[in-house]
Amino acid sequence: AQSVTQLDSQVPVFEEAPVELRCNYSSSVSVYLFWYVQYPNQGLQLLLKYLSGSTLVKGINGFEAEFNKSQTSFHLRKPSVHISDTAEYFCAVSDGGYQKVTFGTGTKLQVIP
Amino acid sequence: GAVVSQHPSRVICKSGTSVKIECRSLDFQATTMFWYRQFPKKSLMLMATSNEGSKATYEQGVEKDKFLINHASLTLSTLTVTSAHPEDSSFYICSARGGGGVEKLFFGSGTQLSVL
Repeated sequence: AQSVTQLDSQVPVFEEAPVELRCNYSSSVSVYLFWYVQYPNQGLQLLLKYLSGSTLVKGINGFEAEFNKSQTSFHLRKPSVHISDTAEYFCAVSDGGYQKVTFGTGTKLQVIP
Repeated sequence: GAVVSQHPSRVICKSGTSVKIECRSLDFQATTMFWYRQFPKKSLMLMATSNEGSKATYEQGVEKDKFLINHASLTLSTLTVTSAHPEDSSFYICSARGGGGVEKLFFGSGTQLSVL
């Protein structure tokens, strides 16, 4: 079984400040890891993914995440946030079986002008 | 990127009626489609997986007779909430996968269902 924990339900941050959204996972097999963003009243958009290779993954909109196997973490970071980054962010894990993706409970990023 | 269209975006219905939600892949053939339910402040919960031309596979605890899923073509899947009740009110999201693995999963924009 696999699971994802996003401990922070809300993260307020001032515009142009850096941000880190935390994600920890558990899985008994090799994993694929994802971060999705959901803007109000919209579906999910893929920000970035880790499948294999380099543990530092760069995504869209200036976001990046680092896969840390020993700490079973996949934290999302951005060095300088913008108002338009205000959204809900979901971390997700898949066992690579191309079927089931398990999502965390989401972190609401609120960028304060 | 690929586009998945979900319709309607919002629906309000009376208790006891049925509601159909459509999910279309606009520029690719979706061999597999997934239906999720999202509660406020909760994660997305996978309800069922549907493969074109075959019966959907439901997750444990999801009533297959209540949530009817049809995947009749490679570009269309429908979720019908039958005899809806207020507790069925939720945000429903579909996703579609074409060739390739889970990294090629695209999501619809969701449907907010409110049952009065």
